Amino acid sequence: SQQGEEDPQALSIQEGENATMNCSYKTSINNLQWYRQNSGRGLVHLILIRSNEREKHSGRLRVTLDTSKKSSSLLITASRAADTASYFCATDAPSGNTPLVFGKGTRLSVIA
Amino acid sequence: EAQVTQNPRYLITVTGKKLTVTCSQNMNHEYMSWYRQDPGLGLRQIYYSMNVEVTDKGDVPEGYKVSRKEKRNFPLILESPSPNQTSLYFCASSLRPPGQILEQYFGPGTRLTVT
Repeated sequence: SQQGEEDPQALSIQEGENATMNCSYKTSINNLQWYRQNSGRGLVHLILIRSNEREKHSGRLRVTLDTSKKSSSLLITASRAADTASYFCATDAPSGNTPLVFGKGTRLSVIA
Repeated sequence: EAQVTQNPRYLITVTGKKLTVTCSQNMNHEYMSWYRQDPGLGLRQIYYSMNVEVTDKGDVPEGYKVSRKEKRNFPLILESPSPNQTSLYFCASSLRPPGQILEQYFGPGTRLTVT
């Protein structure tokens, strides 16, 4: 399995601080995606980074990908209480038609 | 509004009583998938479908069935539910399958309790 593993499992920060979450995976990937889940609700796609990309930005989100280390990081800058959620990375293989495999997630708590 | 809908949102049932969780998407997506989410285990894929009449097993298919007779619908069937199927279930869809670089859209979830 090429399941992504997020680190840390849980993170608690003050509003305004930056939050960094990491994802490691085991085998070659086609792309890596980050999703967000508010408690008990469906996942929402945040950002996708292709295997030939190294960094991507979307608003307050910055994602990096290091394929040599098989790892990715998600940085949320100037965090807000509304960013409190679980964050998951998901990967799929270059061979195509393989399932998107999710990690177990990082639970982020932003304290106002 | 583009969305994935699931019904019911909450269900409490007894062991052995057949049930169906419906999933429907209005985005003309080819790819649909079912996941279950359990504490400490993350999301695990149950079944997926590349298109109408094309379904395949995910990581944890035992005890579940699916069908894809129409593009928009992808029901999850539990023929004889057991307590270990108590979980939070999500349906998801995307325009094309993973490997073709597209995001998945998730439904709101169905919380199932089997007693």
